[in-house]
Amino acid sequence: QQQVKQSPQSLIVQKGGIPIINCAYENTAFDYFPWYQQFPGKGPALLIAIRPDVSEKKEGRFTISFNKSAKQFSLHIMDSQPGDSATYFCAASKNSGYSTLTFGKGTMLLVSP
Amino acid sequence: DVKVTQSSRYLVKRTGEKVFLECVQDMDHENMFWYRQDPGLGLRLIYFSYDVKMKEKGDIPEGYSVSREKKERFSLILESASTNQTSMYLCASTRTGMSNQPQHFGDGTRLSIL
Repeated sequence: QQQVKQSPQSLIVQKGGIPIINCAYENTAFDYFPWYQQFPGKGPALLIAIRPDVSEKKEGRFTISFNKSAKQFSLHIMDSQPGDSATYFCAASKNSGYSTLTFGKGTMLLVSP
Repeated sequence: DVKVTQSSRYLVKRTGEKVFLECVQDMDHENMFWYRQDPGLGLRLIYFSYDVKMKEKGDIPEGYSVSREKKERFSLILESASTNQTSMYLCASTRTGMSNQPQHFGDGTRLSIL
């Protein structure tokens, strides 16, 4: 049973566009929702994260929107650049000392010049 | 800066071989993780460890084992490699804390089983 569903699988936008990646979760015990960015040949790196007590978090051009009642969260990239081309993973975890994460299947983003 | 180092970037082995993948972190993190990454399937947790000699199964532990003899080192073992274990393997580490800590990943080992 997939606990974090991510869409779309791939996305192509033009430079300056606003790609949006969506995730939905089922387990109401999740209380931490990070996004990871992965470039080819590299491991994923934490991009931005949110807890369910806020509806939005912004860091630079990256924004997470969170809808607790719908159990959905999304990543928006403002003024996207070719350097943002990467694979993006949403994830979720329960608050525990182990910090285990359940990942979505990933979205491959291409920002064309 | 946290550094997670995986000993090999690419590895080619034969079916039936015993395969060791090594991971070392330099930030004294308590928790370490092994994932496999496959196209369209995302990252799936194989095993994790929260202390020396301690281990817990993840979502797909079958065919794998792990070893953590020192805090900084976490090994993934394929007891008898099979072709369906051809994949990208990622190691990660994180600190134990009251709130969730970011996982720091290595750059992966691409393993091919022939």
